[in-house]
Amino acid sequence: GAVVSQHPSRVICKSGTSVKIECRSLDFQATTMFWYRQFPKQSLMLMATSNEGSKATYEQGVEKDKFLINHASLTLSTLTVTSAHPEDSSFYICSARPGGQDEQYFGPGTRLTVT
Amino acid sequence: EDQVTQSPEALRLQEGESSSLNCSYTVSGLRGLFWYRQDPGKGPEFLFTLYSAGEEKEKERLKATLTKKESFLHITAPKPEDSATYLCAVQGESGTYKYIFGTGTRLKVLA
Repeated sequence: GAVVSQHPSRVICKSGTSVKIECRSLDFQATTMFWYRQFPKQSLMLMATSNEGSKATYEQGVEKDKFLINHASLTLSTLTVTSAHPEDSSFYICSARPGGQDEQYFGPGTRLTVT
Repeated sequence: EDQVTQSPEALRLQEGESSSLNCSYTVSGLRGLFWYRQDPGKGPEFLFTLYSAGEEKEKERLKATLTKKESFLHITAPKPEDSATYLCAVQGESGTYKYIFGTGTRLKVLA
């Protein structure tokens, strides 16, 4: 149980374009979803927290107009990187927290490369 | 300021050589402490949740313990497939369920 999927697993896009990453909880309803970014050999950096039907809460230093988060349902959250630049290239990971639990369950991650 | 420190940064063990990983934390009100395993290019995999000092959890060759200032992940007779980065995260009582992650311990078990 507690399976989280992400799509796509890898994406390459050109500078200036936008890319959308989907995060789904497959076998539970996620009260809260989180989006992280991870640089090579570093730990996870929280970008934002989202609750279904509410606006996302962004961490300090994260541009909300650049990283658009939509938590449309209890099983789906999306992250859209707008006007992507090479410095946005990174490993993006989502997690989902089932209602009534404290644990977060993570997706497999999405490798974004901006050329 | 809430903070999590993991040590060592990297650890090389021979197969069968038991050891412990440390996670020291400072948080204003601990809701829970979590251990994860992360393989290269993948998302973290949940291992354990600990809530109160003195609590222990076990799973196969892994045992996690918790005190008021730190947590240990003991690895008994490790195998090469235990090679991974082990991440510790704490959750405060802010109500947001956010994690504060440590920087992880990269474990390599040699056959």
